[in-house]
Amino acid sequence: DIQMTQSPSSVSASVGDRVTITCRASQDVGSWLAWYQQKPGKAPNLLIYAASNLEVGVPLRFSGSGSGTDFTLTISSLQPEDFATYYCQQANSFPHTFGQGTKLEIK
Amino acid sequence: QVQLQESGPGLLKPSQTLSLICTVSGGPISSGSFYWAWVRQPAGKGLEWIGRIHAGGNTFYSSSLKSRVTISVDTSKNQFSLKLNSVTAADTAVYYCAGGSRGYSFGLDHWGQGSLVTVSS
Repeated sequence: DIQMTQSPSSVSASVGDRVTITCRASQDVGSWLAWYQQKPGKAPNLLIYAASNLEVGVPLRFSGSGSGTDFTLTISSLQPEDFATYYCQQANSFPHTFGQGTKLEIK
Repeated sequence: QVQLQESGPGLLKPSQTLSLICTVSGGPISSGSFYWAWVRQPAGKGLEWIGRIHAGGNTFYSSSLKSRVTISVDTSKNQFSLKLNSVTAADTAVYYCAGGSRGYSFGLDHWGQGSLVTVSS
């Protein structure tokens, strides 16, 4: 199975900050990577698919990049509603493993 | 707009079989390139991918769970289901059903609200 490692595990930031979360795959997954946002008590919400494609309705402050084994999720200017946990998931080969998550907290 | 809803028992005893159903509304379960999946999340922990199925019945399971898990689809009822045998306390989690409308490589863009399953004697 492909292992997905996110860093950092948690990050504290302020409204208006730029934040970058990284995700590394244990082997090449091409561009087949998705990012999700999850708020407490809620189901995950797809933000980005195929590494850099923004899901419909997701604000433009979210962006994704990368290919192969190294990927990033960037939030250009944090808003109060962005404080949540973020997960990456490789969708190159089954099983479609998730990263362990990055908790974004208010500083 | 496709919507998903999990249903099933919330409390099980060790060694019993977990059975959950996901009912899909707003479109046929066999439409287009949709595929369907189960994901679970123990309290305070991350997401674990359990397995997936296509409307044609083709399945793939997590390496760690494949000896105990079965996912099936009932197109006549617009439902797919999860069975997990011989549960233990380690299987206590919120179980989500989910769907990917663009095909296997594009993530899961539809999710149920989640169903808490507790395993306790």
